[in-house]
Amino acid sequence: AQSVSQHNHHVILSEAASLELGCNYSYGGTVNLFWYVQYPGQHLQLLLKYFSGDPLVKGIKGFEAEFIKSKFSFNLRKPSVQWSDTAEYFCAVNENTDKLIFGTGTRLQVFP
Amino acid sequence: GAVVSQHPSWVICKSGTSVKIECRSLDFQATTMFWYRQFPKQSLMLMATSNEGSKATYEQGVEKDKFLINHASLTLSTLTVTSAHPEDSSFYICSARDLGGAFNEQFFGPGTRLTVL
Repeated sequence: AQSVSQHNHHVILSEAASLELGCNYSYGGTVNLFWYVQYPGQHLQLLLKYFSGDPLVKGIKGFEAEFIKSKFSFNLRKPSVQWSDTAEYFCAVNENTDKLIFGTGTRLQVFP
Repeated sequence: GAVVSQHPSWVICKSGTSVKIECRSLDFQATTMFWYRQFPKQSLMLMATSNEGSKATYEQGVEKDKFLINHASLTLSTLTVTSAHPEDSSFYICSARDLGGAFNEQFFGPGTRLTVL
């Protein structure tokens, strides 16, 4: 069965630090990949997505992610985080169906 | 655009009662909506896929008689937790796929926190 792993459960950073959140999935076929963010008290929002093409995907708010097929990874990055990036981040995968399989999430805390 | 609402945002009920949660797509039509359950500090688990005008498709291990789903229109799906028990306490989130939007993109509601006493 398909699964998604996010190894960083809780990340604490100072403002301006660089961020990389890991995401690995277990499926050998064609997949669509997503990163969602959930700010405190708010609903899930799409940060970025990869369907095909350039494996380096740019999303909103300065986030980007790189799809590395050989490593089954889709890590999220941001060169300089802000306090407002404090949120829960979820990686998700689907295999050309409607079903999204979510990772367990990474809680990011950014301190000024 | 692409806003999904849920009502209520939170509900507290007694054990044995039923609770209905509504999910609405406010500015788009959605033939497909999804219901997820999220336990504290855990991921979202897909419970069922709700299809307008037809029966919902439930994930393995989800009791369809306990979690009744109705998708009567292109903008509304409801989840009814029947005979709720404390173990049903959780955060329930719906999402909707925009008919006219990008393939496989889902828009999420704000969630409903259910507490069963």
